[in-house]
Amino acid sequence: EAQVTQNPRYLITVTGKKLTVTCSQNMNHEYMSWYRQDPGLGLRQIYYSMNVEVTDKGDVPEGYKVSRKEKRNFPLILESPSPNQTSLYFCASSFSLSPAYNEQFFGPGTRLTVL
Amino acid sequence: SQQGEEDPQALSIQEGENATMNCSYKTSINNLQWYRQNSGRGLVHLILIRSNEREKHSGRLRVTLDTSKKSSSLLITASRAADTASYFCATDDTGGSYIPTFGRGTSLIVHP
Repeated sequence: EAQVTQNPRYLITVTGKKLTVTCSQNMNHEYMSWYRQDPGLGLRQIYYSMNVEVTDKGDVPEGYKVSRKEKRNFPLILESPSPNQTSLYFCASSFSLSPAYNEQFFGPGTRLTVL
Repeated sequence: SQQGEEDPQALSIQEGENATMNCSYKTSINNLQWYRQNSGRGLVHLILIRSNEREKHSGRLRVTLDTSKKSSSLLITASRAADTASYFCATDDTGGSYIPTFGRGTSLIVHP
């Protein structure tokens, strides 16, 4: 089944404790991205990747890191989480950014709480 | 990056009624997409309409695009309780990187 998976789905952690949220897709998609969703603010892009070893900042990259060593995986790293990073996080992928192929496939979400 | 803006923010209707939500954007686009999000879950792609198209249908969904007004509408006909969800439009930017950006969404409640 074609899908985007994220782990963990729920995470409660404390300020400063490094964490990684994994994202994997099995559709051979080139483009992957991370969003955070907060009430009243909609979806805001954190980082995106056009292909392996190519990543770039989105609208709200501060406090986050990403890597794209393999095409299928795009982990989100919070080196020193803070309470303002408490949010619902989504990973998404698409075949490419070509306008004909940029339908986004979303993962199920990771609800992160930083105490 | 530009962001589509959905209107209204919230919509409450009875089962069987039609639901219409709108999206406005600022710059030229290649395409506009609509997504649905059930509470707390990932977004699901509904329909894509290209800038050279004016109307598109998919089941009970009808999407229109007016590039002169930089707006789109999503019509759900004969709504069902299962249509209760948030609906987002996503637009790219012909002058930018083609990355789709999302609005804040319309929250639709369909009462049985």
